[in-house]
Amino acid sequence: DTGVSQDPRHKITKRGQNVTFRCDPISEHNRLYWYRQTLGQGPEFLTYFQNEAQLEKSRLLSDRFSAERPKGSFSTLEIQRTEQGDSAMYLCASSLVLNSYNEQFFGPGTRLTVL
Amino acid sequence: DQQVKQNSPSLSVQEGRISILNCDYTNSMFDYFLWYKKYPAEGPTFLISISSIKDKNEDGRFTVFLNKSAKHLSLHIVPSQPGDSAVYFCAASARGGSNYKLTFGKGTLLTVNP
Repeated sequence: DTGVSQDPRHKITKRGQNVTFRCDPISEHNRLYWYRQTLGQGPEFLTYFQNEAQLEKSRLLSDRFSAERPKGSFSTLEIQRTEQGDSAMYLCASSLVLNSYNEQFFGPGTRLTVL
Repeated sequence: DQQVKQNSPSLSVQEGRISILNCDYTNSMFDYFLWYKKYPAEGPTFLISISSIKDKNEDGRFTVFLNKSAKHLSLHIVPSQPGDSAVYFCAASARGGSNYKLTFGKGTLLTVNP
């Protein structure tokens, strides 16, 4: 399977704990995005990488959130001191930007539940 | 503020008939539009896209129409099949920006009845 993969698929944690999610993009894609989706809403942009450089962070991404993409391959999203409001589906997407067109391909997501 | 709006939370159609899903946007900088389909417990799956230089793009049973003056696009599925039942998201991006982030609507739940 050469699509976007995410691990874990589900995570249940207690408030105050730290969690880390991993995303493996499609191998030749140079851009990697993180989105968050809550119930009844569409995905909301969090941050993106061009190769290994993190180029933009949404204001939704508080100081408790950090993302990395070492070597421009896989990416991790860490949430420190989780809060109940962090409960959501965290989606990773990747794309290869050619001629300014940007079809993003999504992984299956990591569903986070903070108790 | 909701820059991409899908005003119909749900739509129900009979198998074999046409499904029309609508989307409106407010940001005039948007110039590339995409439709995604999402099944429960899965990530969104890319369906079809359209650039603002076109007013129609067709791929098999799926056609997207863009009306720039009205800031409106629609997705037509014909004929509709039960396997099309899913949540459909409209998304937009602005090539003028450097990040190409997608802005999504809230989605429309399509149910195709056998």
